[in-house]
Amino acid sequence: DAGITQSPRHKVTETGTPVTLRCHQTENHRYMYWYRQDPGHGLRLIHYSYGVKDTDKGEVSDGYSVSRSKTEDFLLTLESATSSQTSVYFCAISESGSISGANVLTFGAGSRLTVL
Amino acid sequence: SQKIEQNSEALNIQEGKTATLTCNYTNYSPAYLQWYRQDPGRGPVFLLLIRENEKEKRKERLKVTFDTTLKQSLFHITASQPADSATYLCALAEGFQKLVFGTGTRLLVSP
Repeated sequence: DAGITQSPRHKVTETGTPVTLRCHQTENHRYMYWYRQDPGHGLRLIHYSYGVKDTDKGEVSDGYSVSRSKTEDFLLTLESATSSQTSVYFCAISESGSISGANVLTFGAGSRLTVL
Repeated sequence: SQKIEQNSEALNIQEGKTATLTCNYTNYSPAYLQWYRQDPGRGPVFLLLIRENEKEKRKERLKVTFDTTLKQSLFHITASQPADSATYLCALAEGFQKLVFGTGTRLLVSP
């Protein structure tokens, strides 16, 4: 997990409260991703970023928003947490995203979120 | 969107044997396919990448094959060790920046 840190690593919150997860990288990689991992579903892409202030939706973006004001930080916000958002959230970074390259991801250690 | 199928049942093998994991996909053949390893409580770690024009890729005891006709990749670990016990994820490129992951197959190597 060197070069990428997630915080907090564990969080318990109540339904309806806002939650922000932070991903910080020291690799200066252009691409950053937020995935969630649930039993039976595997890793599913929530949002990703291809540069500062450049973000796009993934497969399961409803209920989530992201922001990237600096290259090194990618924030995931749950405006009003629901029990269905209980999950393990992984941030990932990548240097290359071009069609000629290959998108090899480096993952953080994960943030376990429980919404009661 | 791409659908990926990996055997959800755990694969149990004895130390020293070859483990073979399967990844099947349903739609278009991706430009490349990747395999990751995930240990409990940790994030996935990249192992190998194979491109659509490659039939086979090797790295130490690991071998990956890619058959675009069958829409399948096989992941082999030869001379398996208990330390190889983990969940192995298959991932396919979707578009320029996205990777789609399978649910993973858990491998258990017993001494």
